[in-house]
Amino acid sequence: NAGVMQNPRHLVRRRGQEARLRCSPMKGHSHVYWYRQLPEEGLKFMVYLQKENIIDESGMPKERFSAEFPKEGPSILRIQQVVRGDSAAYFCASSPLGGVDGYTFGSGTRLTVV
Amino acid sequence: AQSVAQPEDQVNVAEGNPLTVKCTYSVSGNPYLFWYVQYPNRGLQFLLKYITGDNLVKGSYGFEAEFNKSQTSFHLKKPSALVSDSALYFCAVRPPLSGNTPLVFGKGTRLSVIA
Repeated sequence: NAGVMQNPRHLVRRRGQEARLRCSPMKGHSHVYWYRQLPEEGLKFMVYLQKENIIDESGMPKERFSAEFPKEGPSILRIQQVVRGDSAAYFCASSPLGGVDGYTFGSGTRLTVV
Repeated sequence: AQSVAQPEDQVNVAEGNPLTVKCTYSVSGNPYLFWYVQYPNRGLQFLLKYITGDNLVKGSYGFEAEFNKSQTSFHLKKPSALVSDSALYFCAVRPPLSGNTPLVFGKGTRLSVIA
């Protein structure tokens, strides 16, 4: 039973390009959460999705960032026109129901903007 | 709004000694509390949780945590530290019966166990 799968593990983009981060939740999990980890800042919530629905996007910047979790396929976190400040580790987690028992995390995507 | 504080950025302990990583929280009602560990270049791994019941919770790798409602704390402990315990530790909280409220994480505490 594969865990939460994120790809790519490492992503390098030039300023102004687009970054697409993918997350396949654990089998049987229908809730996906995206977090961003910056040095010295810990883990910051970005967005919470269920299949075809955004439940909470209060932590996601209003511009350039978007997320989806289609009926078929992985969840996608998309960052348009990346800037150096977007460089961070992006983690996806999944849970069944509402995550009462906690989340299962992927290994993350490390985005570097050059 | 719920929040979590991990007052120590770094904790150093000698191998074989007991360790404590501190966590305090702010949330209405009785919270759901979690500890996760992150090894270098890896995702977070679940260690233990408190939902209800006994205030002392036992988890993976010999770790335990004690829920203290009066002090709003949930400190992580281990009686005898191992070098392999060196990692980044995160405390997390969510309100009870909150349905769709995501976990809120602390900033993390880096534990260094010295041989």
